[in-house]
Amino acid sequence: SAVISQKPSRDICQRGTSLTIQCQVDSQVTMMFWYRQQPGQSLTLIATANQGSEATYESGFVIDKFPISRPNLTFSTLTVSNMSPEDSSIYLCSVVITGTVTYEQYFGPGTRLTVT
Amino acid sequence: RKEVEQDPGPFNVPEGATVAFNCTYSNSASQSFFWYRQDCRKEPKLLMSVYSSGNEDGRFTAQLNRASQYISLLIRDSKLSDSATYLCVVNSGGYNKLIFGAGTRLAVHP
Repeated sequence: SAVISQKPSRDICQRGTSLTIQCQVDSQVTMMFWYRQQPGQSLTLIATANQGSEATYESGFVIDKFPISRPNLTFSTLTVSNMSPEDSSIYLCSVVITGTVTYEQYFGPGTRLTVT
Repeated sequence: RKEVEQDPGPFNVPEGATVAFNCTYSNSASQSFFWYRQDCRKEPKLLMSVYSSGNEDGRFTAQLNRASQYISLLIRDSKLSDSATYLCVVNSGGYNKLIFGAGTRLAVHP
């Protein structure tokens, strides 16, 4: 398994500002992902954070709005830019641990963002 | 049509009951299947992977029917601590991307 921490755990921000969320993993992992979970909904993948290259974004998400950094195999950041109330959500970092026959994905505790 | 569809719930059951959750997926190329558990205001946690032959882990049994593109989770002898939302999760076939169902809420009462 993997131990994942996120900072901040929660924040309340004003519209038009930006927030950077940090994700730290206790081991080197190749695959890291950023998800969003809006109130009462399931998880939606924002992007795959690739080490040494640009992130790969899912449909509906763009780099200008959600820039991602992945400087090494244990760390990533997600920035929510020019926030609006619609960005209020839980943002979760996730990593994949693979074995010879297993593929397991683990999640950080999440960052609860409220935009006023 | 959603890629992963689950029973909407909520399921309200007494302690000791057996409860089953169903899930269907639309991408026939999907190869990996999972059940996650999410407690209120917590992150999802992997409950179990689902294998073609079906698998059991204590009181939990997961089954996969590829022909019908159907996954199930059976919980026997429900405990109060089983109360949570159960998420059906499928990979999007050939790509390391997980698609989450909307979840089924289970409430076990005394």
